[in-house]
Amino acid sequence: GDSVTQKEGLVTLTEGLPVMLNCTYQTIYSNAFLFWYVHYLNESPRLLLKSSTDNKRTEHQGFHATLHKSSSSFHLQKSSAQLSDSALYYCAPLTGNTGKLIFGLGTTLQVQP
Amino acid sequence: ETAVFQTPNYHVTQVGNEVSFNCKQTLGHDTMYWYKQDSKKLLKIMFSYNNKQLIVNETVPRRFSPQSSDKAHLNLRIKSVEPEDSAVYLCASSRVDTEVFFGKGTRLTVV
Repeated sequence: GDSVTQKEGLVTLTEGLPVMLNCTYQTIYSNAFLFWYVHYLNESPRLLLKSSTDNKRTEHQGFHATLHKSSSSFHLQKSSAQLSDSALYYCAPLTGNTGKLIFGLGTTLQVQP
Repeated sequence: ETAVFQTPNYHVTQVGNEVSFNCKQTLGHDTMYWYKQDSKKLLKIMFSYNNKQLIVNETVPRRFSPQSSDKAHLNLRIKSVEPEDSAVYLCASSRVDTEVFFGKGTRLTVV
């Protein structure tokens, strides 16, 4: 079945260092949409960025990701971590025609001074 | 800007009790969902409703039942809660095949 893997459960960084959160996915749908959601404590999870175009960089709020269908990956990156980036990040493929987003365990990013 | 509203924010109850959570969306979306976020942060879909019809039911225990009066409302009832039901329940809505918009969640603690 369709699934997503974020191999790091927790990433701890010092402010100013680059961020990379890994995401790989498995789906039978060649035209899957990939999403990154961010969940801050006591807030709603919200969309950070999304893509369905192979090998095209997508950017939003300082974060970027490139969908690589050949490797089924959609890693999230940022050049310089900020304290306010500390949150839980979910990568999610959107599959089929039911609008079903497949989430997993997410990756908690902790940015330290 | 919040457009998916959930009540209550928190609920503490004893094993065996019945609980209900409410959800309303003001986005005009035609599909609503319930997700469960467990203590390990696993976020998993439980149900989705499209035009008052259940279209996805992820093999959740039968004590869970979604209830919808119209396409803007989707409530969740748990008939007899168990300790493993302690989690954050997130309501969401979307148009078909697009991003979902989440509420802030209802944190359930079963003691």
